[in-house]
Amino acid sequence: GNSVTQMEGPVTLSEEAFLTINCTYTATGYPSLFWYVQYPGEGLQLLLKATKADDKGSNKGFEATYRKETTSFHLEKGSVQVSDSAVYFCALRSANFGNEKLTFGTGTRLTIIP
Amino acid sequence: DAGITQSPRHKVTETGTPVTLRCHQTENHRYMYWYRQDPGHGLRLIHYSYGVKDTDKGEVSDGYSVSRSKTEDFLLTLESATSSQTSVYFCAISERGGEQFFGPGTRLTVL
Repeated sequence: GNSVTQMEGPVTLSEEAFLTINCTYTATGYPSLFWYVQYPGEGLQLLLKATKADDKGSNKGFEATYRKETTSFHLEKGSVQVSDSAVYFCALRSANFGNEKLTFGTGTRLTIIP
Repeated sequence: DAGITQSPRHKVTETGTPVTLRCHQTENHRYMYWYRQDPGHGLRLIHYSYGVKDTDKGEVSDGYSVSRSKTEDFLLTLESATSSQTSVYFCAISERGGEQFFGPGTRLTVL
């Protein structure tokens, strides 16, 4: 079955540091890949996505590239801010038509200190 | 923001009592989902719906049932709540091929 493995947390960084959160997946075919973010006390919001190999998703300074050869979708940001403190989830959606279910990783809590 | 509300937002109940959580959408999206969020597990799918009266099980469906009699409402029922069902529950909606939009969550505590 499908699975997503993401970097264990928590992760603590200083403001303006470079961020990488690793995500690898197991799935047949070419799934769609997502990063969701959850701010304290809120539901999840889509941060970025990629639907085919070599696609790069980007939003709010975050980027992730769909790497089929390494089955990875690592999240990066060049200079983090305190407001980026949140929990980040990597997820995939099966390539099978009509299968809309998402499989999530366990989440990575990120804290940015001033 | 997608129009998704969940009720109640917080609930404390006792073991053995029935509990129903409601998800309401104003977006007319076809698909609706119930997840639970627990530390170390991320989000796990409980049940989902692909249309009115069309539902299916997710990976952690034991002890839960759902109903969808209208496009806008998706109910999650714990017939007899247990302490292992203490969790934060999220509803989500989507259209085919689209992103999932999440509600604000319901924090349930079973004593």
